[in-house]
Amino acid sequence: GIQVEQSPPDLILQEGANSTLRCNFSDSVNNLQWFHQNPWGQLINLFYIPSGTKQNGRLSATTVATERYSLLYISSSQTTDSGVYFCAVHTGGFKTIFGAGTRLFVKA
Amino acid sequence: GAVVSQHPSRVICKSGTSVKIECRSLDFQATTMFWYRQFPKQSLMLMATSNEGSKATYEQGVEKDKFLINHASLTLSTLTVTSAHPEDSSFYICSASLSLNTEAFFGQGTRLTVV
Repeated sequence: GIQVEQSPPDLILQEGANSTLRCNFSDSVNNLQWFHQNPWGQLINLFYIPSGTKQNGRLSATTVATERYSLLYISSSQTTDSGVYFCAVHTGGFKTIFGAGTRLFVKA
Repeated sequence: GAVVSQHPSRVICKSGTSVKIECRSLDFQATTMFWYRQFPKQSLMLMATSNEGSKATYEQGVEKDKFLINHASLTLSTLTVTSAHPEDSSFYICSASLSLNTEAFFGQGTRLTVV
């Protein structure tokens, strides 16, 4: 089946710093999403981005489907950005396959 | 976006008992819902696909007799963990989409602890 790899696995930032999270996938996908899992386990939808670039406040994402990767940019990080960021791809049908995640900790 | 609600958010049960978890699509109809399991500090693993009006499709290695799924209506899917054991303790989360290949929305998750 399709493989979804995220990097880095862990990231520690000082508040105010910028970061880039990467998601590589091994086969063509129908769609791609980025999620933030908060400390209570809730998955927050960040971006639904099969291709192109989107921005939402301090966050933006770019997916280059032809090269099978997506990037999530976090600018001016805040302590509330801490948590796990997941990339998930949609294969044929409804299935959503998750990467292993990037665990982010933002220090005050 | 669409809203998916999951209940309960936390449950503690005794070994050998069964636990039912509900997943509801509040503002849309979902012919298909998905159930995931997440162990501490790990990713989400798809357990099964719940199909309204028909049998669920289970991923390889998931015991269908242990994890019973019922999708009796277009807005409700249930996951019953039967004869629960401590190794079934985990975070269970459901998802649904408005239609094929569109954005997936997730419930709040259920943290199950079997003692």
